[in-house]
Order: sequence, then C-alpha cells, then structure tokens
Amino acid sequence: QVTLKESGPGMLQPSKTLSLTCSFSGFSLSTSGMVVSWIRQPSGKSLEWLAAIDWDGDKYYNPSLKSRLTVSKDTSNTQVFLKITSVDIADTATYYCARRLRGADGFAYWGQGTLVTVSS
Amino acid sequence: EIVLTQSPTTTAASPGEKVTITCLASSSVSNMYWYQQKSGASPKLLIYSTSSLASGVPDRFSGSGSGTSYSLTINTMEAEDAATYYCQQWSSNPLTFGSGTKLEIK
Repeated sequence: QVTLKESGPGMLQPSKTLSLTCSFSGFSLSTSGMVVSWIRQPSGKSLEWLAAIDWDGDKYYNPSLKSRLTVSKDTSNTQVFLKITSVDIADTATYYCARRLRGADGFAYWGQGTLVTVSS
Repeated sequence: EIVLTQSPTTTAASPGEKVTITCLASSSVSNMYWYQQKSGASPKLLIYSTSSLASGVPDRFSGSGSGTSYSLTINTMEAEDAATYYCQQWSSNPLTFGSGTKLEIK
C-alpha cells in the first residue's frame, strides 16, 4: 500500500527558509520510473506544481520558482525534501507531495497535505 | 508555459444528467490528466493518458481529446460527484494544472 505524508513547520516568518519533508512507504524511490513531486495549493485556488525528483536523482523545477527551490531525497529512498528560500505571504498554501503513476505522468498517490502559513 | 483553460468555471447538474468539462491548452499536448478534489481532501486521479480510467474510478467517468482540446465527461451525474475538477499536463515543463471547474449538484 502506497502512502505519503508531508510534514512542515506550520507557520514561519517572511524571508525565512521553508523546509518540507515527504515521508512515504509502499515503494522505493530507487525503483525505475518512480517520481515524487511537490505541489501546492493556496486556499480556494488551483494547484501549482513546484518540483520533482526521480528514481535516478534527476531533479525538475518550475522555472517560475526555480531560484528558490531545492528538492532532494534521502539515501534510503523513503523521504523527499523541499526547501523554499525567502518565503513571502504568497507562499502560504497547503503543500502536497505526490507520486507519479508508473508509466504515466498523472499523480496516482497524494499525501494529505500540510498547511504552511507565512506570517509576521 | 502551457496554460490550461477550463470551462465552465462553475456548473450544476441534476442526478442522472450528463456533464462535460473542457480543458483547452495554449499549445498542443500529448496527454491530459484529470483530477477530482472534494473540500478538505487531496486531489484524486480520475483519468490518465487522456482516456484511461484510474483504478477504482467509476466507469461513468471518461476522458477524450487531442492536441489542444480535451474533455472530461460524467455520463450520469451522482450526488457524490459534486467536487472541483482539474486538468493537468506535463508534455512540456513546467507541469501545469487548469484553473478548475466546480461542479455542484442541483
């Protein structure tokens, strides 16, 4: 059974660095074809893809945010991390991690999301 | 960046009614993906690779399209289908989502 769960600080101040963790089970990110992405959703708005990392360690970023994002994974291939530097109120959102469907680019598995509020 | 424009933005349907949601891409894409999101929940994959039904999704849902025009159809509306629906592409970077279609039950 594939499960993913995000964790984060809940709240942080503007200009700080946001660190998020996606802990997952039921698959290994070292398996060929596996890709885990970060996606966020401000309240009442649509979804925005942020970044992805694949089984080979290749990383993909949304160009609009690339300078602020760093995605990585742990050596055991059971966690993926996302750092966003210089956060602003506009970064307030629910952050999801999601796993790609094997063989297609749809996200078949999602975490429950973690709400991050940027406020002074 | 490929912009996905969904229509309608909001719609309502009676039980048993057929519903069609359209997603227009600003450039041609090879495949479209569709999600359902209920209030307070994570998105759920409905359709992958334009027309394939995701595991466990009722067969009243279907997808079609090509190039820049794609659609999601609910053959017979049920109360549990009230939700917001999003299309998504990753034919080119960055991966993008549509702005969403809110579907309500009449």
